[in-house]
Amino acid sequence: DQQVKQNSPSLSVQEGRISILNCDYTNSMFDYFLWYKKYPAEGPTFLISISSIKDKNEDGRFTVFLNKSAKHLSLHIVPSQPGDSAVYFCAASGVTLTFGKGTMLLVSP
Amino acid sequence: NAGVTQTPKFRVLKTGQSMTLLCAQDMNHEYMYWYRQDPGMGLRLIHYSVGEGTTAKGEVPDGYNVSRLKKQNFLLGLESAAPSQTSVYFCASRPSAATVYEQYFGPGTRLTVT
Repeated sequence: DQQVKQNSPSLSVQEGRISILNCDYTNSMFDYFLWYKKYPAEGPTFLISISSIKDKNEDGRFTVFLNKSAKHLSLHIVPSQPGDSAVYFCAASGVTLTFGKGTMLLVSP
Repeated sequence: NAGVTQTPKFRVLKTGQSMTLLCAQDMNHEYMYWYRQDPGMGLRLIHYSVGEGTTAKGEVPDGYNVSRLKKQNFLLGLESAAPSQTSVYFCASRPSAATVYEQYFGPGTRLTVT
């Protein structure tokens, strides 16, 4: 039973356009959400997070939106760059993190 | 400050062999974690530790054992390797502060069991 779901295994976007990565969760006890970025042959690196008391958090080109009623969050990357091509994992907090299966983003020039 | 390091980077084992993966962190973090990543499966938690001398099971603990004898080290053992344990293994750590959730990951160990 997946508690954190990323339903799109992959996403292709052109450079300069917006990338929107989606994540759904089922456990209403989750109160903090994170996005990680992973390049091949490297460990995941933390990208951005959001507390459940907020509905938006921005950091440069990256914005995360949280809709608690829908149990849905999304990561927006604007403008997308070829260097953003990676696998993006959504995670929900506790003592441990519960990860989604990831979405592979490909940004083409 | 090296962050989280993992040893070895690559390993090939035969079915039934044993090995230990070492994770070390120099950030004085209380919490440490072992994950495995398989294609299409995301990151799945194997075991974790909330402090020196303590360990707990995660989502997929079978076939693995762990030890946290020193705060900076977290060992993952495979007593009798099986082909199903072919995977990429990641270690992570984080502080124990209640408001800090970000985990810092190592570069991974790619393990193949034949």
